[in-house]
Amino acid sequence: DSGVTQTPKHLITATGQRVTLRCSPRSGDLSVYWYQQSLDQGLQFLIQYYNGEERAKGNILERFSAQQFPDLHSELNLSSLELGDSALYFCASSLYGGNNEQFFGPGTRLTVL
Amino acid sequence: SQQGEEDPQALSIQEGENATMNCSYKTSINNLQWYRQNSGRGLVHLILIRSNEREKHSGRLRVTLDTSKKSSSLLITASRAADTASYFCATDVGSGAGSYQLTFGKGTKLSVIP
Repeated sequence: DSGVTQTPKHLITATGQRVTLRCSPRSGDLSVYWYQQSLDQGLQFLIQYYNGEERAKGNILERFSAQQFPDLHSELNLSSLELGDSALYFCASSLYGGNNEQFFGPGTRLTVL
Repeated sequence: SQQGEEDPQALSIQEGENATMNCSYKTSINNLQWYRQNSGRGLVHLILIRSNEREKHSGRLRVTLDTSKKSSSLLITASRAADTASYFCATDVGSGAGSYQLTFGKGTKLSVIP
């Protein structure tokens, strides 16, 4: 158990819908990262937050957005969902902004029908 | 594009044998991290090696880093059936301004046969 929690574990929804994925980092970790894992693209970095501020952006679609709250938990919002958004979404956390271990949560499996 | 590329893509060995996986990357890194993933589950952090380090050990794991060749290897000694999983290398290429991200390879699928 990494100490990073994610909810829900599974999410099944329809195209065009909007969902919110939630992540709680390990106690004391200030940085939160979101990654997407799909069969064709592999593991891809989406976005990083550090102590409430966005710090880095990767291959995140404009339909996706994220935020980190004052209690350091983070949410990833996915809207206008398409079939291709079906994937495993991971949250990771690290103590500071980088050059540290990133510990991953168990992931949320999103299925878009 | 993939920063890290693992080799081989798949590896099948007998229990008790050693398993070696390699990772090559393209740009300068702050650190390189190895992860294990069991069949669609979460990623388990195995080891982090920084750019100024050459070798690290953790239990049955040995990781080497050669920054001149931009490559790393993960050695699992005395493998067990429970080591069956996909192994990923991930490179941290942060800008140093608090901006960091891991770039993953496609992974090596290790099968340990009892």
